[in-house]
Amino acid sequence: NAGVMQNPRHLVRRRGQEARLRCSPMKGHSHVYWYRQLPEEGLKFMVYLQKENIIDESGMPKERFSAEFPKEGPSILRIQQVVRGDSAAYFCASSPSTGGGSPLHFGNGTRLTVT
Amino acid sequence: GESVGLHLPTLSVQEGDNSIINCAYSNSASDYFIWYKQESGKGPQFIIDIRSNMDKRQGQRVTVLLNKTVKHLSLQIAATQPGDSAVYFCAEWVISSGSARQLTFGSGTQLTVLP
Repeated sequence: NAGVMQNPRHLVRRRGQEARLRCSPMKGHSHVYWYRQLPEEGLKFMVYLQKENIIDESGMPKERFSAEFPKEGPSILRIQQVVRGDSAAYFCASSPSTGGGSPLHFGNGTRLTVT
Repeated sequence: GESVGLHLPTLSVQEGDNSIINCAYSNSASDYFIWYKQESGKGPQFIIDIRSNMDKRQGQRVTVLLNKTVKHLSLQIAATQPGDSAVYFCAEWVISSGSARQLTFGSGTQLTVLP
């Protein structure tokens, strides 16, 4: 029973390039959340998606960032024209039901480094 | 040993002693709380949860206490072991846009178990 799978584990991009982070939720989970964590800090909510729908993107920067969770395949967090401030660990979490009903199960994250 | 969250983000305890990690939450309407453990290089791992209709819940070597009057949550770890060394986060479900909920994390406490 695989947990939440994220890839790549580590991603290095030069300023101005695009970063694509992938997340496969746990089997049977149709709710996906993305979080960002800076060193020595807590996790900050970015976006909440269900299959083919963005439910809450209030934590996501308005520019350069986008997320999707297609009917088939993993959820994707896309960062265009990366800047050094985007360097962080990005975590994906999934749950079987809508928020507040059960714990979120987290993957081990993608560590993005922008050089 | 005992921490007070934001004022003491690190807590060191002797192996075998009990640990108490504290957390103050912000939203009096929150009704579901979760403790996570995060080891270096990994994603947050679910430890224990509690709903607002309870004031205490026990797991294996862990107990969570909820005081809704002062909006305070604590995690007690009995007979702390070296493997308990990690950062511990409390998290609460809060209402975001519309009826969507976000799982909001506290700043975390670094627990170090001394031999």
